Amino acid sequence: DTEVTQTPKHLVMGMTNKKSLKCEQHMGHRAMYWYKQKAKKPPELMFVYSYEKLSINESVPSRFSPECPNSSLLNLHLHALQPEDSALYLCASSQRTAPGGSYTFGSGTRLTVV
Amino acid sequence: DAKTTQPTSMDCAEGRAANLPCNHSTISGNEYVYWYRQIHSQGPQYIIHGLKNNETNEMASLIITEDRKSSTLILPHATLRDTAVYYCIVSAMPGSARQLTFGSGTQLTVLP
Repeated sequence: DTEVTQTPKHLVMGMTNKKSLKCEQHMGHRAMYWYKQKAKKPPELMFVYSYEKLSINESVPSRFSPECPNSSLLNLHLHALQPEDSALYLCASSQRTAPGGSYTFGSGTRLTVV
Repeated sequence: DAKTTQPTSMDCAEGRAANLPCNHSTISGNEYVYWYRQIHSQGPQYIIHGLKNNETNEMASLIITEDRKSSTLILPHATLRDTAVYYCIVSAMPGSARQLTFGSGTQLTVLP
């Protein structure tokens, strides 16, 4: 299995809702990432997990809460989002022990906050 | 991570080689050059990476100048399916605090 699987592919949520995005990989990668991508902009790094521990939080608002329950799974919990949080949310993974290793991205969850 | 500079957009005729340049004049000795592409509304796709030497795989070739301050991604026979945004990224080996930081990229349009 050489893929990163993200679910759901599309999500519409109200500003008072709580929802979660899920990301799964079975490549044995020990680093996992969340990126946010607004329309016509490059992806922006949000969080980095290394060996299931949060290693980087790029000053992301607390209404985004990441979780890494095990080495294959990464969640992003959403609560009280704003319309400007509407974006494509991308998950990626990499084998940190491999020099110059590549990163595998999922196809993303397109989130719309209404 | 070092910053990169790429042209905003380029066109290429189908079947011809597409040469995408990238400047990374502040690259450090331990930083790799990565190329990714993103087809509309999909996740970025890894293409190739290199440190010092030129590299080739089934998708593309990567030419890195001797001083490592610039590189060129070559798609030898572009097809319509190669239309995408191409990102040149420099990044240290996995294990550093900073991972892939995307610049603005080059929108490559392959014309029939």
